[in-house]
Amino acid sequence: LAKTTQPISMDSYEGQEVNITCSHNNIATNDYITWYQQFPSQGPRFIIQGYKTKVTNEVASLFIPADRKSSTLSLPRVSLSDTAVYYCLVGDGNFNKFYFGSGTKLNVKP
Amino acid sequence: GAVVSQHPSWVICKSGTSVKIECRSLDFQATTMFWYRQFPKQSLMLMATSNEGSKATYEQGVEKDKFLINHASLTLSTLTVTSAHPEDSSFYICSATGTEFYGYTFGSGTRLTVV
Repeated sequence: LAKTTQPISMDSYEGQEVNITCSHNNIATNDYITWYQQFPSQGPRFIIQGYKTKVTNEVASLFIPADRKSSTLSLPRVSLSDTAVYYCLVGDGNFNKFYFGSGTKLNVKP
Repeated sequence: GAVVSQHPSWVICKSGTSVKIECRSLDFQATTMFWYRQFPKQSLMLMATSNEGSKATYEQGVEKDKFLINHASLTLSTLTVTSAHPEDSSFYICSATGTEFYGYTFGSGTRLTVV
């Protein structure tokens, strides 16, 4: 199972774009990259998932370089309510278990 | 779609008693369910994986006789913390996946406090 490495914490201000990078050097060929958001005392919430290049949805973008050894979650124009922990997970499509890394604590300031 | 309901959201129990936590997939068949625990300011730690109709597979260091997992149907998995002690106090989270989609959906979590 691919191990992920993320910055422990990041600070930002309201209205800014935030980019959180995740390293997954031993990602396997059939692994997907998924990002989750977790607020205190809540279960993780799916944000975005991708395999290669760029994926965009209504809340975020996910950039994956050609070697797929890293990925970057981009949150446009963050607000105070985006203060949370963001986890990057890597797993294949065979419904195998996910191990969580340390996650990145994003603190959005006014 | 892909909603997982977890119940109760919080529970307080006396030391030595047992507590059951339910995890239900509301709109899909959960072929595999996972149970995590999370201590304050820490990441989620995988405890066990359960497949419908099979015995759960526990991660190293997790006591299977203490944390009983049952996945008797495609929509329900339960975690029973037996003879609970204060050190079992934690946030327990389930997640589920099915054959209709790729990915994992998480429950809202259960805050267990053992006094």
